[in-house]
Amino acid sequence: GDSVTQMEGPVTLSEEAFLTINCTYTATGYPSLFWYVQYPGEGLQLLLKATKADDKGSNKGFEATYRKETTSFHLEKGSVQVSDSAVYFCALTPYNFNKFYFGSGTKLNVKP
Amino acid sequence: EPEVTQTPSHQVTQMGQEVILRCVPISNHLYFYWYRQILGQKVEFLVSFYNNEISEKSEIFDDQFSVERPDGSNFTLKIRSTKLEDSAMYFCASRADGLSDEQFFGPGTRLTVL
Repeated sequence: GDSVTQMEGPVTLSEEAFLTINCTYTATGYPSLFWYVQYPGEGLQLLLKATKADDKGSNKGFEATYRKETTSFHLEKGSVQVSDSAVYFCALTPYNFNKFYFGSGTKLNVKP
Repeated sequence: EPEVTQTPSHQVTQMGQEVILRCVPISNHLYFYWYRQILGQKVEFLVSFYNNEISEKSEIFDDQFSVERPDGSNFTLKIRSTKLEDSAMYFCASRADGLSDEQFFGPGTRLTVL
């Protein structure tokens, strides 16, 4: 069945460091891929998405490229800030959008 | 900006008691969902709801669970007789229509079963 695997955390970085959070997926057909972020005490907020192969989603300095050949959707940011500290979830929805499959979440701690 | 809201934010209950978790999806959205996340585990799909009926449910969603849209705004998840293993964060989500791939999530209700 469909599934998402993302790197375990927590990830601790210093401010202005480069961030990569790995995400790979298994799906039949052509899923849409997402990154959600959860700040402390808040809900899941959409960070970015990509709907087809080679699409790049971007928002707030974060980027992820839909790589069908490697079934990956890695999240990157060139220079993290303390305010980026949160839990990041990779997710997919299959072609019929009937549900989401989430990864286990990666907690990011950014130190000043 | 419209958002999904959930109440309560934290619910503590005794094993065997019934609980109802409440959600107000975004107005005019047509598809509604419940997910749960047991501490330290993945966010898991429980059920989807469209046109006043369940459209899909997972293996987790057994006879102890039920969903209802009692009026035009609320969407509820009922657990009839809670177990210790039902302790989790429960997220409600809504989706605008059949062409939209994005789900909008609420802040979650943390359920603690003692």
